[in-house]
Amino acid sequence: DSGVTQTPKHLITATGQRVTLRCSPRSGDLSVYWYQQSLDQGLQFLIQYYNGEERAKGNILERFSAQQFPDLHSELNLSSLELGDSALYFCASSARGIGIREQFFGPGTRLTVL
Amino acid sequence: KNQVEQSPQSLIILEGKNCTLQCNYTVSPFSNLRWYKQDTGRGPVSLTIMTFSENTKSNGRYTATLDADTKQSSLHITASQLSDSASYICVVNPNTGNQFYFGTGTSLTVIP
Repeated sequence: DSGVTQTPKHLITATGQRVTLRCSPRSGDLSVYWYQQSLDQGLQFLIQYYNGEERAKGNILERFSAQQFPDLHSELNLSSLELGDSALYFCASSARGIGIREQFFGPGTRLTVL
Repeated sequence: KNQVEQSPQSLIILEGKNCTLQCNYTVSPFSNLRWYKQDTGRGPVSLTIMTFSENTKSNGRYTATLDADTKQSSLHITASQLSDSASYICVVNPNTGNQFYFGTGTSLTVIP
């Protein structure tokens, strides 16, 4: 158990809908990262937040957005869902401070778009 | 183009044997390279993190090497166990920002 929690575990929805994935980092961690893992693309970095502020952006679509709240939990919002958005979405957290930090991954949310 | 390529795509070995997984990257500049182990359906678990100046790093039976000049890394697993069956993913982090580039992984199966 990494100490990172993600909810829900599974999510099934229809095309065109909007969903919100939630992540709670390990106690004391300030950084939160979001990743997408699909069968054909492998793992892809989406976005990072550090203490409430966006720190880095990867291959995140404009239909996707994220935020980190004052209590440090984070949410990833996916809108106008398409079949291709079906994937495992992972959240990871790392300790406070700048520099190279080990990331601890949550168990993931499996999103199925029908 | 920043890319991370891993080989082989899949590997089957007998329990107790050693194996080596490869990672080649074209990411530039370079800050650090990470190896992760991912069991099916679960989140990745960090094995090693190496910076530009590190050539070797070990974590139990896992030893990673890095040649920053040739942009190659390897992960050596010693005395494999059934629990080593998983996907092993190489990740490179450049200096600019915190973008992460992932390889597609090597699927390792250890059989009795």
